[in-house]
Amino acid sequence: EPEVTQTPSHQVTQMGQEVILRCVPISNHLYFYWYRQILGQKVEFLVSFYNNEISEKSEIFDDQFSVERPDGSNFTLKIRSTKLEDSAMYFCASTPQLGGANHEQYFGPGTRLTVT
Amino acid sequence: AQSVSQHNHHVILSEAASLELGCNYSYGGTVNLFWYVQYPGQHLQLLLKYFSGDPLVKGIKGFEAEFIKSKFSFNLRKPSVQWSDTAEYFCAVNAYFGNEKLTFGTGTRLTIIP
Repeated sequence: EPEVTQTPSHQVTQMGQEVILRCVPISNHLYFYWYRQILGQKVEFLVSFYNNEISEKSEIFDDQFSVERPDGSNFTLKIRSTKLEDSAMYFCASTPQLGGANHEQYFGPGTRLTVT
Repeated sequence: AQSVSQHNHHVILSEAASLELGCNYSYGGTVNLFWYVQYPGQHLQLLLKYFSGDPLVKGIKGFEAEFIKSKFSFNLRKPSVQWSDTAEYFCAVNAYFGNEKLTFGTGTRLTIIP
């Protein structure tokens, strides 16, 4: 069964450094998402992406964050200058549907980002 | 704006006990409803989903949930839990139309005692 994959599984970085989290969505999917989960808290939406542009972003997704689909398979989240509070598990998700009623999102295993 | 409430933060049960986890949502339009499970050290997995039709939906591993529109609720149930059900359970909602973001509840940690 096709899966969303994410790399790396764990990233440790120093405050102020740039990080890029990588995701490979399921190949025929059209919508892509990033979520994050700070330890002990709920999963929060960051951004959605369709047709090579951002569809929606949350308040968390400020100018330090960017997303890109550099080729036909990868979907990346870049944090330009990391802060301690960016430490979290970051999940990528994708969904195949363009409109319609079936909106199941398929999640990747996550990247644990630790900012020191 | 959408919101999801899960009132049980931590539930501890013995094996074979029955389970019901509460989920209430707030949204002005038609919604899709989901329950996700996160086993220790693993990623989010879909347990079950409701889009339309029969409000009683069955998912994997013997779980089911009932959508009660008048109560804005989507409670998760299982008649007899197993030790392997120990996990974090998240209720989530998104808008019925469009590929909308998921809004998650705070999660319920379920601990099953053998």
